[in-house]
This record gives sequence, structure tokens and C-alpha cells, in this order.
Amino acid sequence: AQSVTQPDIHITVSEGASLELRCNYSYGATPYLFWYVQSPGQGLQLLLKYFSGDTLVQGIKGFEAEFKRSQSSFNLRKPSVHWSDAAEYFCAVATQTGANNLFFGTGTRLTVIP
Amino acid sequence: GAVVSQHPSWVICKSGTSVKIECRSLDFQATTMFWYRQFPKQSLMLMATSNEGSKATYEQGVEKDKFLINHASLTLSTLTVTSAHPEDSSFYICSARDTGVGNSPLHFGNGTRLTVT
Repeated sequence: AQSVTQPDIHITVSEGASLELRCNYSYGATPYLFWYVQSPGQGLQLLLKYFSGDTLVQGIKGFEAEFKRSQSSFNLRKPSVHWSDAAEYFCAVATQTGANNLFFGTGTRLTVIP
Repeated sequence: GAVVSQHPSWVICKSGTSVKIECRSLDFQATTMFWYRQFPKQSLMLMATSNEGSKATYEQGVEKDKFLINHASLTLSTLTVTSAHPEDSSFYICSARDTGVGNSPLHFGNGTRLTVT
């Protein structure tokens, strides 16, 4: 069965510092991977997704993620964090491109300090 | 861009009452919408798939008689939590795909925080 692990429940970084949020997945075949951001009291917004091709994926708001099959990872990165990036971040995996059943990680809460 | 509106954003109700949550696709049509539940400090879990004009498909362990889903039009799905109990308190989020866009991503609503007292 597929699953997603986000090992870091809460991360605090200073504004302007770099960021990496970890995501590991478990799935026997090629996964379809997503990163979503959820601002307080709001829904989920898609940051980026990986289906195939280049393993380094660029997303919105300056985020990128790299798919590493050998490590079963899809870590999210940003070179310089802004205060507005404070939110909850969810990694998700699906078994098909159009799959409706996304399996979400438990999320990582990002706090940005001035 | 595609917008999914969810209403209300929060609701407090007494135990034993029913609560209806609406999910609307504002600028696109969605033959299929999805309902998720998120408990505190836990992941989002798919509850059910709402199909326009037909019965919803529920995930294992989700009581269909407790969580009534109606998808009467291409832009509206409703989730009714019947005879709510405190353990139903949660954050409920809907999502939808744009039927007119191939490989459309899921567009999520802003969620509804339900508190049952």
C-alpha cells in the first residue's frame, strides 16, 4: 500500500534562510507526487507536482522539489524563505496521474521568524 | 483560475443536530467532487467521492448514513453530518476537478471547521 511520511512535524527558520521539507513515500511503482500548502484557515493550494521527466520540479512561489527514486524521497526546497511562507505543507502521493485518492503525509508546519 | 468555494468556513453545533456543508465550483463544472476530513495533527483523509447525478462512493470505514452527500448539479456538492457528535469535530475540505480540462489538478476549497459541543 502507498503511504507518505513527513518526518518533521514543525520547522522554524529565519526569514531569508533556505528551507528543505522532507517527504518520503512508499509505493512499488512509479508514484505521482505532489506538494500542497495550507495557510491558516484556508484550503490546500498546489505548489508543484511530479509525474515524469526531469526529476527537479519547479513550482509556484519559488519552490522546487526533487524526486529521488533511490531514496524514495520528494523533498521540497526554497532558497530564501519569506515570512508569508509560514503555513502547513503537505506531501501527497497518487498512483495515477488523474487519481482522486491522494495519500497525504501528516504535514509539516513552517514557522518563519524575522 | 479555478475556484472552489466552501461554506460555511466554520460552524459550531450541538450534539445530535445535523450540519450541512456546501462545496461549489465557481467558474468550472465538476462532475466529481471529493470530501476529505482532517483531524488535528493528522493527515487529510479522503472520505468520499461525490458524483453528479448519482450516489457517492464512500471510503472504507466512512458511514454513508452519517455523512450524507448530495451532488445535484455540476457545480455543487453538499455534505451533511447527521446527528453530529463531538468526535465528528474536524476540519472538512472538499476538492474538485475541472471536467472541461484534461488532467485537471484537484482544486481545494478553504475547508470547514466543525465543532460539535
